Amino acid sequence: SQTIHQWPATLVQPVGSPLSLECTVEGTSNPNLYWYRQAAGRGLQLLFYSVGIGQISSEVPQNLSASRPQDRQFILSSKKLLLSDSGFYLCAWSVRGTTNYGYTFGSGTRLTVV
Amino acid sequence: GENVEQHPSTLSVQEGDSAVIKCTYSDSASNYFPWYKQELGKRPQLIIDIRSNVGEKKDQRIAVTLNKTAKHFSLHITETQPEDSAVYFCAATTGITGTASKLTFGTGTRLQVTL
Repeated sequence: SQTIHQWPATLVQPVGSPLSLECTVEGTSNPNLYWYRQAAGRGLQLLFYSVGIGQISSEVPQNLSASRPQDRQFILSSKKLLLSDSGFYLCAWSVRGTTNYGYTFGSGTRLTVV
Repeated sequence: GENVEQHPSTLSVQEGDSAVIKCTYSDSASNYFPWYKQELGKRPQLIIDIRSNVGEKKDQRIAVTLNKTAKHFSLHITETQPEDSAVYFCAATTGITGTASKLTFGTGTRLQVTL
């Protein structure tokens, strides 16, 4: 069966520090991968998505970047965190090449920038 | 791009009553409409979905209806239980086989089921 792992679960970082969040998927090949952010009490905002190794699409201009160095690995990064980067970051995957468009989300990383 | 609006933002019902959450979407090409349940501090989990070629889908106490003409879809929960208390998100996408399905989410409805 397919599983998605996301870490760390929680993170407290000072303003101006770098960030690296990692997400990996097991049990499937060629997944579509996504990063979403959820601000406190708000909805889910799509940040990046990827349909393959090295292929990254950005949905909103921001202080973050994403990379996909391996088929089942998706990384969210920042060189210098801002207070506004605080939130709940969710990685998700969907099956490519089918009409199954639904997502499975990872357990999330709660980031607090202080 | 797609825009999804969701109402109400909060909903309180008594145990055993029904709950209805409504969403509207803007892109007439959208063809896939999932609903997610998110418990406090947890990940969103898919509870039911519907495709544009279907008007209604039911799974035990949960049902979803879709009106393509009006571009709105609704979640219906019957015989609510305390464990139904959570935040519910609707979403929409224009799913195309072979590409990423970029889900646009509503802003969420906090459902509270009281005893």
